[in-house]
Amino acid sequence: EAGVTQFPSHSVIEKGQTVTLRCDPISGHDNLYWYRRVMGKEIKFLLHFVKESKQDESGMPNNRFLAERTGGTYSTLKVQPAELEDSGVYFCASSQTSPERPQYFGPGTRLLVL
Amino acid sequence: GESVGLHLPTLSVQEGDNSIINCAYSNSASDYFIWYKQESGKGPQFIIDIRSNMDKRQGQRVTVLLNKTVKHLSLQIAATQPGDSAVYFCAVLTGGSYIPTFGRGTSLIVHP
Repeated sequence: EAGVTQFPSHSVIEKGQTVTLRCDPISGHDNLYWYRRVMGKEIKFLLHFVKESKQDESGMPNNRFLAERTGGTYSTLKVQPAELEDSGVYFCASSQTSPERPQYFGPGTRLLVL
Repeated sequence: GESVGLHLPTLSVQEGDNSIINCAYSNSASDYFIWYKQESGKGPQFIIDIRSNMDKRQGQRVTVLLNKTVKHLSLQIAATQPGDSAVYFCAVLTGGSYIPTFGRGTSLIVHP
């Protein structure tokens, strides 16, 4: 069974540019999550999809971040315009329906904003 | 809100020794706990989980212990190998929430 995949693996952009990250969850997982880890700090929640609906987006830092999951399959996270503090590793995870099911993480996208 | 802390940011052990990584949580209503392993350049990998109705669960070379009285969770790795070198995170969930709170991670360094 294929795991969670993310694209790109790395992205280096300049402040003010736009970047779009993609996540493909494990097939059949209705729950999809985005997280961010800034160097040396803990993993922070950004948002949670159930199928195509945003269940919880309380962790989204501001309106420069836009997440979509059209069709309830893959998801994209767009940052526009990017700022220096957006640098970090963005992880996507997916899980089956139930809070007591582990989330399986993708390899992450390492974003560097210069 | 929930806070999750790890007792040591770094743990160094010799190959073949047993390793114990600890995690403390703050909310007594927390009811589901997960340990993840993150190797350099990769995403967190699920290792083992435990629900609050248990106090011990074993996997292959790993054991998770849960002490709800003192709100403490530990991951024990038997016969630690160089391939176990990674950052280990605990994740804590509460009250049916889908969103875990993560600790900062303990970096396990295994010396051959």
